[in-house]
Amino acid sequence: AQRVTQPEKLLSVFKGAPVELKCNYSYSGSPELFWYVQYSRQRLQLLLRHISRESIKGFTADLNKGETSFHLKKPFAQEEDSAMYYCALSRYNNNDMRFGAGTRLTVKP
Amino acid sequence: KAGVTQTPRYLIKTRGQQVTLSCSPISGHRSVSWYQQTPGQGLQFLFEYFSETQRNKGNFPGRFSGRQFSNSRSEMNVSTLELGDSALYLCASSLGNGYSGNTIYFGEGSWLTVV
Repeated sequence: AQRVTQPEKLLSVFKGAPVELKCNYSYSGSPELFWYVQYSRQRLQLLLRHISRESIKGFTADLNKGETSFHLKKPFAQEEDSAMYYCALSRYNNNDMRFGAGTRLTVKP
Repeated sequence: KAGVTQTPRYLIKTRGQQVTLSCSPISGHRSVSWYQQTPGQGLQFLFEYFSETQRNKGNFPGRFSGRQFSNSRSEMNVSTLELGDSALYLCASSLGNGYSGNTIYFGEGSWLTVV
């Protein structure tokens, strides 16, 4: 079965500090990993996906199959990064997305 | 182009009643997925429809059902409502053509309160 774990419900950092949101998963097959973000009063939206290997808004995430992790990182946090972040997994070629519990990131001035 | 549209946005129902929620996907999207979001359980996958067929299903009781029409619009139905069904129900659409890199776009959700 697919499972996603985000160990931190809340994470607070100061502006300009590095930030890392942790995500671990369990799935025996070939997973597709995603990070979704929900800003205040906005709908849930895709931030990035591992197959694209891209950096969005300064965020990056590397899939580590050995550690079954997909941590989200940003070297210098900004106040506008404050939001709810969800790690998600789907089976290859499937749209049955399984989400972690989410981490609320607060970036303080 | 217009985003994923869900109706109604807010509704209140009584225990034992049934409810139908509607979702209009982005034009051209053939896959529609439904999720339940609650403070205690987070975001949970209900089911996914593609070309009018249920393609994937989460771990919800049979009271939760859905369907998809030929124009890709989808409805989900919850029968015999329980207090624990109070949640935000999110619909998401994607091209769904089998390439898992398709971006899934979410609607704003339907807030259901069961009293």
